[in-house]
Amino acid sequence: QVQLVESGGGVVQPGRSLRLSCAASGFTFSSHGMHWVRQAPGKGLEWVAVIWYDGSNKYYADSVKGRFTISRDNSENTLYLQMSSLRAEDTAVYYCARWGDYRTFEIWGQGTMVTVSS
Amino acid sequence: DIVMTQTPLSSPVTLGQPASISCRSSQSLVHSDGNTYLNWLQHRPGQPPRLLIYKISNRFSGVPDRFSGSGAGTDFTLKISRVEAEDVGVYYCMQATQFPHTFGQGTKLEIK
Repeated sequence: QVQLVESGGGVVQPGRSLRLSCAASGFTFSSHGMHWVRQAPGKGLEWVAVIWYDGSNKYYADSVKGRFTISRDNSENTLYLQMSSLRAEDTAVYYCARWGDYRTFEIWGQGTMVTVSS
Repeated sequence: DIVMTQTPLSSPVTLGQPASISCRSSQSLVHSDGNTYLNWLQHRPGQPPRLLIYKISNRFSGVPDRFSGSGAGTDFTLKISRVEAEDVGVYYCMQATQFPHTFGQGTKLEIK
């Protein structure tokens, strides 16, 4: 079935880096744009980044621009989020989501928790 | 950036009764292609968010017909005709008309 599975979360010190992965299955990954969305503890949802189906375009939230990089490997059906210069305020559950028709976030992964703490 | 403002932030509802959530955007969500990319999502405890409504009023696959969306321009509404226990969670409006995509603060739906 259609599935997205995030991995790579954990506890990391401020200023360090971490790479999240999102493994896709059950659909043609290379045909869909993909997003990262996060939710800090006790807070609402925050859009983080998007990448076009072929990687040709990428957009970022101002809060992560210059520190986070979204990428994908269509041969491996995997989406990535490279996070550097991490801050305490980056602590959140990170979700990947498939970009569907009419700009919907139609399929979501279960999320992976990132904690930035010394 | 487009700011999305939801009201109320908390909504205690009796089972079987209707519920309504409002969402207002700081600018029109009409895209240059003529579509209005306003989505509603449900976030139940312990689960990932789930798409309910897209383009203001279109129910996503598998969404019960007790959920409906309406509105235009900058003012939008999500309605649940008869609240069921499984509807407990946080509801978000989200604009996908322009980047960065932005969410409302969320409305917590709970049973009285």
